[in-house]
Amino acid sequence: AQTVTQSQPEMSVQEAETVTLSCTYDTSESDYYLFWYKQPPSRQMILVIRQEAYKQQNATENRFSVNFQKAAKSFSLKISDSQLGDAAMYFCAYHINNDMRFGAGTRLTVKP
Amino acid sequence: DAEITQSPRHKITETGRQVTLACHQTWNHNNMFWYRQDLGHGLRLIHYSYGVQDTNKGEVSDGYSVSRSNTEDLPLTLESAASSQTSVYFCASSLSGGYNEQFFGPGTRLTVL
Repeated sequence: AQTVTQSQPEMSVQEAETVTLSCTYDTSESDYYLFWYKQPPSRQMILVIRQEAYKQQNATENRFSVNFQKAAKSFSLKISDSQLGDAAMYFCAYHINNDMRFGAGTRLTVKP
Repeated sequence: DAEITQSPRHKITETGRQVTLACHQTWNHNNMFWYRQDLGHGLRLIHYSYGVQDTNKGEVSDGYSVSRSNTEDLPLTLESAASSQTSVYFCASSLSGGYNEQFFGPGTRLTVL
């Protein structure tokens, strides 16, 4: 079965520091899309960043960037200059052949 | 502004009852999705639709059904609610294509007693 694994149930970072959230996935397909979504306490799911598997260049969105290692099936999220508003659950996900799968999530705490 | 809404936001029902959760989007998106969120599982796909009259089963479709009679709405029906279906349910929509961002509704918390 295709799966998404987030091995860190909880992470903590000091405000203004950098943190990396891990994600690995399992698929035999070569074409797919990868996403990181954020869910703050409001419960609203918000897209953070996305990556097309055929693109080797890592995606970047302001303070958020990914390290996409296709051969290793790894898609980690780096948050630079962490802010209090970054505190949330972060979900890694992929979209493959009409199937959308999410990881179990990583709860990120930001300490002032 | 375009949005996606869900109703009700909270629902308590009894085992064996039929329950319908509403989802309405004004984005004019072709794609619509239903997920459930349970602790330790993230979000799991229940059903999805790529257009009017199109519906497809997701990872955890047993006990659920959907119908798509127009672009804006994708109601989710639990034919005979079970305690295992106690969860938070999210509806989402997107433009066609796997790369496109899914826009999520606020969620419905369903409790089956």
